[in-house]
Amino acid sequence: GAGVSQTPSNKVTEKGKYVELRCDPISGHTALYWYRQSLGQGPEFLIYFQGTGAADDSGLPNDRFFAVRPEGSVSTLKIQRTERGDSAVYLCASSSARPDTQYFGPGTRLTVL
Amino acid sequence: AQSVTQLGSHVSVSEGALVLLRCNYSSSVPPYLFWYVQYPNQGLQLLLKYTTGATLVKGINGFEAEFKKSETSFHLTKPSAHMSDAAEYFCAVSDSGGNNRLAFGKGNQVVVIP
Repeated sequence: GAGVSQTPSNKVTEKGKYVELRCDPISGHTALYWYRQSLGQGPEFLIYFQGTGAADDSGLPNDRFFAVRPEGSVSTLKIQRTERGDSAVYLCASSSARPDTQYFGPGTRLTVL
Repeated sequence: AQSVTQLGSHVSVSEGALVLLRCNYSSSVPPYLFWYVQYPNQGLQLLLKYTTGATLVKGINGFEAEFKKSETSFHLTKPSAHMSDAAEYFCAVSDSGGNNRLAFGKGNQVVVIP
């Protein structure tokens, strides 16, 4: 079956611009997670959705970052006024239940010039 | 809050030799522990996980790991390295008390020498 997909695979933007990153989870998975992986580091948690609601957004670095999941399936991570320090690979994962495995997508590589 | 320590960012191993990647965790509640592998230009793939029950867990591709509570460790091993094992490996922890977030270590880049 289809895995987690993320679009775009690569995004290059200029400092100060707004970007949206999309995640399509595995069909039927109720839980969805966003992580950020900087060069040479492990992934860092950003936000977790259970259904349509954000159950834990404590990992979002500041108020420039926002994520939605309006219908409990696809999620969009939104970054306003991008900064060079936002450059990283943004990973999405989904799971069906705790403590079930989180299945990861291939990521979106964001480069802020 | 949970955390994971993985020492030695780069690990070189000869083909056919033992692979040993160390992982130590910190958690205030009983942990759930995971090892993920990341091949170049691919997403993270689960190798194995420990939640409850048997402390020695077996995963894909001949890997296994043992949960040792007294040592707060979850080291990953494979008896005989193969060239295809060259990848980056991440240990991760989440807690059993209700928080689903994974806390990852910095990873080990494994190089297999022919």
